[in-house]
Amino acid sequence: QITLKESGPTLVKPTQTLTLTCTFSGFSLSTSGLGVGWIRQPPGKALEWVALINWNDDNFYSPSLKSRLTVTKDTSKNQVVLTMTNMDPVDTATYYCAHTPFRYFTYWGQGTLVTVSS
Amino acid sequence: DIVMTQSPDSLAVSLGERATINCKSSQSVLYSSNNMNYLAWYQQKPGQPPKLLIYWASTRESGVPDRFSGSGSGTDFTLTVSSLQAEDVAIYYCQQYLSSPHTFGQGTKLEIK
Repeated sequence: QITLKESGPTLVKPTQTLTLTCTFSGFSLSTSGLGVGWIRQPPGKALEWVALINWNDDNFYSPSLKSRLTVTKDTSKNQVVLTMTNMDPVDTATYYCAHTPFRYFTYWGQGTLVTVSS
Repeated sequence: DIVMTQSPDSLAVSLGERATINCKSSQSVLYSSNNMNYLAWYQQKPGQPPKLLIYWASTRESGVPDRFSGSGSGTDFTLTVSSLQAEDVAIYYCQQYLSSPHTFGQGTKLEIK
Protein backbone atom coordinates (compact mmCIF):
# COMPACT_ATOMS: atom_id res chain seq x y z
CA GLN A 1 0.00 0.00 0.00
CA ILE A 2 1.52 3.27 -1.16
CA THR A 3 0.97 6.40 0.91
CA LEU A 4 2.50 9.86 0.86
CA LYS A 5 2.19 12.75 3.30
CA GLU A 6 3.35 16.32 3.03
CA SER A 7 4.56 18.23 6.07
CA GLY A 8 5.89 21.69 6.72
CA PRO A 9 4.82 25.18 7.74
CA THR A 10 1.31 26.36 7.00
CA LEU A 11 2.31 30.02 7.08
CA VAL A 12 5.44 31.67 5.74
CA LYS A 13 6.31 35.33 5.39
CA PRO A 14 7.17 36.96 2.06
CA THR A 15 10.84 36.51 1.11
CA GLN A 16 11.21 33.53 3.44
CA THR A 17 12.22 30.05 2.31
CA LEU A 18 9.67 27.23 2.30
CA THR A 19 10.76 23.70 3.12
CA LEU A 20 8.26 20.89 2.62
CA THR A 21 8.89 17.23 3.31
CA CYS A 22 7.13 14.36 1.59
CA THR A 23 7.29 11.18 3.66
CA PHE A 24 6.18 8.07 1.84
CA SER A 25 5.77 4.35 2.34
CA GLY A 26 5.03 1.34 0.19
CA PHE A 27 7.80 1.95 -2.32
CA SER A 28 11.49 2.83 -2.47
CA LEU A 29 13.02 5.66 -4.43
CA SER A 30 15.98 3.42 -5.06
CA THR A 31 13.78 1.35 -7.38
CA SER A 32 14.58 1.95 -11.02
CA GLY A 33 11.92 3.94 -12.84
CA LEU A 34 10.19 5.48 -9.85
CA GLY A 35 9.95 9.11 -8.92
CA VAL A 36 8.20 11.63 -6.69
CA GLY A 37 6.69 14.82 -8.00
CA TRP A 38 5.44 18.06 -6.52
CA ILE A 39 2.30 19.73 -7.76
CA ARG A 40 0.62 22.81 -6.35
CA GLN A 41 -2.85 24.29 -6.56
CA PRO A 42 -3.72 27.86 -5.58
CA PRO A 43 -7.11 28.13 -3.89
CA GLY A 44 -9.86 27.66 -6.46
CA LYS A 45 -7.41 27.32 -9.31
CA ALA A 46 -5.88 24.64 -11.51
CA LEU A 47 -3.10 22.20 -10.83
CA GLU A 48 0.43 23.42 -11.53
CA TRP A 49 3.30 20.98 -12.08
CA VAL A 50 6.28 22.08 -9.96
CA ALA A 51 9.06 19.49 -9.95
CA LEU A 52 10.02 15.84 -10.20
CA ILE A 53 12.89 13.78 -8.80
CA ASN A 54 13.67 10.32 -10.11
CA TRP A 55 15.25 7.27 -8.55
CA ASN A 56 18.56 8.15 -10.22
CA ASP A 57 18.56 11.74 -8.83
CA ASP A 58 17.55 13.29 -12.13
CA ASN A 59 15.64 16.47 -11.33
CA PHE A 60 13.11 18.32 -13.44
CA TYR A 61 11.84 21.75 -12.48
CA SER A 62 9.19 24.12 -13.73
CA PRO A 63 11.11 26.75 -15.73
CA SER A 64 9.14 29.55 -14.10
CA LEU A 65 10.21 28.36 -10.63
CA LYS A 66 13.56 26.75 -11.37
CA SER A 67 15.74 29.53 -9.94
CA ARG A 68 13.96 29.20 -6.59
CA LEU A 69 13.58 25.42 -6.31
CA THR A 70 15.61 22.55 -4.98
CA VAL A 71 14.31 18.99 -4.63
CA THR A 72 16.32 16.31 -2.86
CA LYS A 73 15.67 12.79 -1.67
CA ASP A 74 16.75 10.73 1.29
CA THR A 75 16.22 7.13 0.26
CA SER A 76 17.02 5.75 3.71
CA LYS A 77 14.28 7.88 5.29
CA ASN A 78 11.79 7.52 2.42
CA GLN A 79 11.57 11.27 2.13
CA VAL A 80 11.69 13.91 -0.56
CA VAL A 81 12.29 17.54 0.37
CA LEU A 82 11.16 20.57 -1.62
CA THR A 83 12.82 23.90 -0.92
CA MET A 84 11.47 27.09 -2.45
CA THR A 85 13.20 30.40 -1.78
CA ASN A 86 11.91 33.97 -1.80
CA MET A 87 8.27 33.07 -1.18
CA ASP A 88 5.61 35.48 -2.39
CA PRO A 89 1.85 35.69 -1.73
CA VAL A 90 1.24 34.28 -5.24
CA ASP A 91 2.88 31.06 -4.02
CA THR A 92 -0.04 30.50 -1.65
CA ALA A 93 -1.34 27.07 -2.61
CA THR A 94 -1.96 23.52 -1.57
CA TYR A 95 1.23 21.62 -2.25
CA TYR A 96 0.95 17.94 -3.14
CA CYS A 97 3.58 15.29 -3.48
CA ALA A 98 2.83 12.26 -5.63
CA HIS A 99 4.31 8.91 -6.66
CA THR A 100 5.14 8.40 -10.29
CA PRO A 101 6.10 5.21 -12.08
CA PHE A 102 6.63 7.15 -15.30
CA ARG A 103 5.90 10.87 -14.96
CA TYR A 104 2.14 10.50 -14.53
CA PHE A 105 1.02 10.50 -10.90
CA THR A 106 -0.55 7.36 -9.47
CA TYR A 107 -0.70 8.08 -5.74
CA TRP A 108 -1.06 11.49 -4.15
CA GLY A 109 -0.67 12.87 -0.67
CA GLN A 110 -3.56 14.78 0.87
CA GLY A 111 -1.74 18.05 0.30
CA THR A 112 -0.71 20.84 2.62
CA LEU A 113 -1.95 24.40 2.35
CA VAL A 114 0.85 26.94 2.53
CA THR A 115 -0.15 30.57 2.98
CA VAL A 116 2.32 33.34 2.27
CA SER A 117 1.46 36.42 4.25
CA SER A 118 3.14 38.94 6.50
CA ASP B 1 6.44 24.49 -22.60
CA ILE B 2 3.60 22.40 -24.02
CA VAL B 3 0.33 24.21 -23.34
CA MET B 4 -2.68 22.03 -22.58
CA THR B 5 -6.08 23.55 -23.33
CA GLN B 6 -9.27 21.85 -22.21
CA SER B 7 -12.78 22.43 -23.46
CA PRO B 8 -15.29 23.22 -22.28
CA ASP B 9 -14.40 24.92 -19.01
CA SER B 10 -17.60 23.56 -17.51
CA LEU B 11 -20.17 21.02 -18.56
CA ALA B 12 -23.59 20.01 -17.23
CA VAL B 13 -24.91 16.60 -18.21
CA SER B 14 -27.99 14.66 -17.12
CA LEU B 15 -27.59 11.52 -15.06
CA GLY B 16 -27.09 8.52 -17.30
CA GLU B 17 -26.05 10.63 -20.27
CA ARG B 18 -22.64 10.86 -21.93
CA ALA B 19 -20.11 13.51 -20.96
CA THR B 20 -17.22 14.42 -23.24
CA ILE B 21 -14.22 16.53 -22.25
CA ASN B 22 -11.59 17.62 -24.75
CA CYS B 23 -7.91 18.34 -24.30
CA LYS B 24 -5.65 19.87 -26.92
CA SER B 25 -1.88 20.15 -26.68
CA SER B 26 0.16 22.88 -28.35
CA GLN B 27 2.59 20.23 -29.61
CA SER B 28 2.15 16.57 -30.30
CA VAL B 29 2.57 14.33 -27.25
CA LEU B 30 2.95 11.24 -29.40
CA TYR B 31 6.43 9.79 -29.07
CA SER B 32 7.27 8.26 -32.40
CA SER B 33 9.85 5.81 -31.05
CA ASN B 34 7.21 3.82 -29.14
CA ASN B 35 4.01 5.18 -30.70
CA MET B 36 2.69 6.13 -27.26
CA ASN B 37 0.76 9.24 -26.34
CA TYR B 38 2.11 10.75 -23.12
CA LEU B 39 -1.25 11.96 -21.84
CA ALA B 40 -3.04 11.34 -18.54
CA TRP B 41 -6.44 12.28 -17.11
CA TYR B 42 -7.25 13.00 -13.46
CA GLN B 43 -10.44 13.51 -11.48
CA GLN B 44 -10.49 15.89 -8.52
CA LYS B 45 -13.40 16.10 -6.11
CA PRO B 46 -13.75 19.01 -3.64
CA GLY B 47 -11.29 18.84 -0.78
CA GLN B 48 -9.49 15.81 -2.22
CA PRO B 49 -6.26 15.28 -4.12
CA PRO B 50 -6.54 14.37 -7.80
CA LYS B 51 -7.08 10.75 -8.73
CA LEU B 52 -5.50 9.16 -11.79
CA LEU B 53 -8.11 7.86 -14.24
CA ILE B 54 -6.30 7.29 -17.53
CA TYR B 55 -2.67 7.18 -18.69
CA TRP B 56 -1.03 6.61 -22.06
CA ALA B 57 -4.14 8.44 -23.35
CA SER B 58 -6.37 5.37 -23.15
CA THR B 59 -5.19 2.97 -20.43
CA ARG B 60 -7.59 2.92 -17.53
CA GLU B 61 -6.02 2.88 -14.08
CA SER B 62 -6.84 -0.14 -11.96
CA GLY B 63 -10.14 0.25 -10.14
CA VAL B 64 -11.48 3.02 -12.36
CA PRO B 65 -15.01 2.24 -13.61
CA ASP B 66 -15.20 1.27 -17.26
CA ARG B 67 -17.63 4.12 -17.97
CA PHE B 68 -14.48 6.28 -18.11
CA SER B 69 -12.53 6.04 -21.35
CA GLY B 70 -9.81 8.03 -23.04
CA SER B 71 -9.09 8.44 -26.73
CA GLY B 72 -7.14 10.55 -29.17
CA SER B 73 -3.63 10.89 -30.48
CA GLY B 74 -1.07 13.53 -31.29
CA THR B 75 -2.56 16.81 -30.12
CA ASP B 76 -6.27 16.05 -29.61
CA PHE B 77 -7.64 13.92 -26.80
CA THR B 78 -11.00 13.13 -25.25
CA LEU B 79 -12.18 11.83 -21.92
CA THR B 80 -15.62 10.25 -22.11
CA VAL B 81 -17.92 9.31 -19.27
CA SER B 82 -20.37 7.01 -20.97
CA SER B 83 -23.18 7.18 -18.42
CA LEU B 84 -22.85 9.96 -15.88
CA GLN B 85 -23.28 9.03 -12.23
CA ALA B 86 -23.77 11.43 -9.33
CA GLU B 87 -20.34 10.55 -7.95
CA ASP B 88 -18.67 11.71 -11.18
CA VAL B 89 -19.25 15.37 -10.31
CA ALA B 90 -15.72 16.72 -10.17
CA ILE B 91 -13.08 18.74 -11.99
CA TYR B 92 -11.15 16.82 -14.62
CA TYR B 93 -7.60 17.62 -15.70
CA CYS B 94 -5.45 16.38 -18.54
CA GLN B 95 -1.66 16.28 -18.23
CA GLN B 96 1.08 15.75 -20.78
CA TYR B 97 4.22 14.00 -19.59
CA LEU B 98 6.22 13.89 -22.80
CA SER B 99 8.43 16.84 -22.03
CA SER B 100 9.25 18.77 -18.89
CA PRO B 101 7.47 20.71 -17.49
CA HIS B 102 4.74 18.09 -17.46
CA THR B 103 1.92 20.57 -17.80
CA PHE B 104 -1.73 20.26 -16.81
CA GLY B 105 -4.78 21.66 -18.53
CA GLN B 106 -6.86 24.32 -16.82
CA GLY B 107 -9.53 21.83 -15.78
CA THR B 108 -13.11 21.10 -16.77
CA LYS B 109 -15.86 21.20 -14.17
CA LEU B 110 -18.44 18.46 -14.68
CA GLU B 111 -21.84 18.91 -13.08
CA ILE B 112 -25.28 17.32 -13.13
CA LYS B 113 -27.93 19.01 -15.23
